[in-house]
Amino acid sequence: EVVMTQSPATLSVSPGERATLSCRASQSIKRNLAWYQQKPGQAPRLLIYDVSTRATGIPASFSGSGSGTEFTLTINSLQSEDFAVYYCQQYNNWPLTFGGGTKVEI
Amino acid sequence: EEQLLESGGGLVQPGGSLRLSCATSAFTVTNYAMTWVRQAPGKGLQWVSAISGGAGVTYYADSVKGRFTISRDISKSTVYLQMNSLRAEDTAIYYCAKRYYDDGGAFDIWGQGTLVTISS
Repeated sequence: EVVMTQSPATLSVSPGERATLSCRASQSIKRNLAWYQQKPGQAPRLLIYDVSTRATGIPASFSGSGSGTEFTLTINSLQSEDFAVYYCQQYNNWPLTFGGGTKVEI
Repeated sequence: EEQLLESGGGLVQPGGSLRLSCATSAFTVTNYAMTWVRQAPGKGLQWVSAISGGAGVTYYADSVKGRFTISRDISKSTVYLQMNSLRAEDTAIYYCAKRYYDDGGAFDIWGQGTLVTISS
């Protein structure tokens, strides 16, 4: 099983600042990585897939990078609506696995 | 607009069964893989099961293999998750999600989830 490790668990950021979230895979997953955002009481929403491709309707303030085993989600100029929990997920190997999440808080 | 609507959740005793449904709209289930993901209270996301689009090949997490069965009714555009021998640790919100491709890709569309509670 590919273990996805996210860091930090909690990230405290001020509005307007940049947030950098990390995700590490226990083995190479090529570019088969996605990022999801989840707000309280809501279903997850796809932000980024294939490491760096923004999903439909996702603003350019969200960007993804990395390859192999190390990946990063960057959120530029955080807005109030960006405070949420973010999960990375690999879809290169079965079983599909998620990271434990990073909570971005004010 | 592509949408998913789950139903079928509820309170069940340990050892019981439940069938979840995921009604799809605005796309053809044979063109895309579908999946179930669950989230225990206050916890993260856990992938449960998937079914490919064309061939209908099924996949399961080890924690549910032999107890859960994913299936679909193409005529009803609906995906199901039959859950048997339920345990307390199966308590979670269960989300249905559509994948980008016939047999792969990220989860681009999610339903709102249905709550399953296993308790005596």
